[in-house]
Amino acid sequence: EAAVTQSPRNKVTVTGGNVTLSCRQTNSHNYMYWYRQDTGHGLRLIHYSYGAGNLQIGDVPDGYKATRTTQEDFFLLLELASPSQTSLYFCASSDPGGVEQYFGPGTRLTVL
Amino acid sequence: KTQVEQSPQSLVVRQGENCVLQCNYSVTPDNHLRWFKQDTGKGLVSLTVLVHENDKTSNGRYSATLDKDAKHSTLHITATLLDDTATYICVVVDRGSALGRLHFGAGTQLIVIP
Repeated sequence: EAAVTQSPRNKVTVTGGNVTLSCRQTNSHNYMYWYRQDTGHGLRLIHYSYGAGNLQIGDVPDGYKATRTTQEDFFLLLELASPSQTSLYFCASSDPGGVEQYFGPGTRLTVL
Repeated sequence: KTQVEQSPQSLVVRQGENCVLQCNYSVTPDNHLRWFKQDTGKGLVSLTVLVHENDKTSNGRYSATLDKDAKHSTLHITATLLDDTATYICVVVDRGSALGRLHFGAGTQLIVIP
């Protein structure tokens, strides 16, 4: 069974804080994604990656950095967190066509 | 511009009743369409995938249809259970890009009451 894990599951920080969200997949997928989910919106793509060392900009990248250190690990960095980044964040991985995407359980981030 | 529209936004049904969720999209070119179930605060769980014109799928009490000409899909839930309470998300895959970009609807929140 494909597996995507995220940590932490919940995080509270203050405005201006530094936050790193972690994602690990054991699917041997090349593609990994970070999304945010907000009420009234579908999931929106922040950043994605084709493989270790690769990073592509998604649809809502402002205020976010990401780094893909290995095929398994993809990190989302918020270096100066703002309240507008309070959201539920999902990581996913997929095969090259993006046909089958497997989602992690989500990280709820609150920026006070 | 929203490319995947779901209706209704929310729906309340009594346990045992049937319900129908709608998804209209404008993604081009579309490849296939998926329905996901998301329990509150949890991840997305795939229910079904529709690939071809006029596809119909069935997964237990869940069944779905796809009309690619109309760019429309429906998800039917039969004999609802309390555990069906969740948000149901329609996702259209755009195969026009190398990535296979996913376009997400905002979801229909289904509440099943006793």
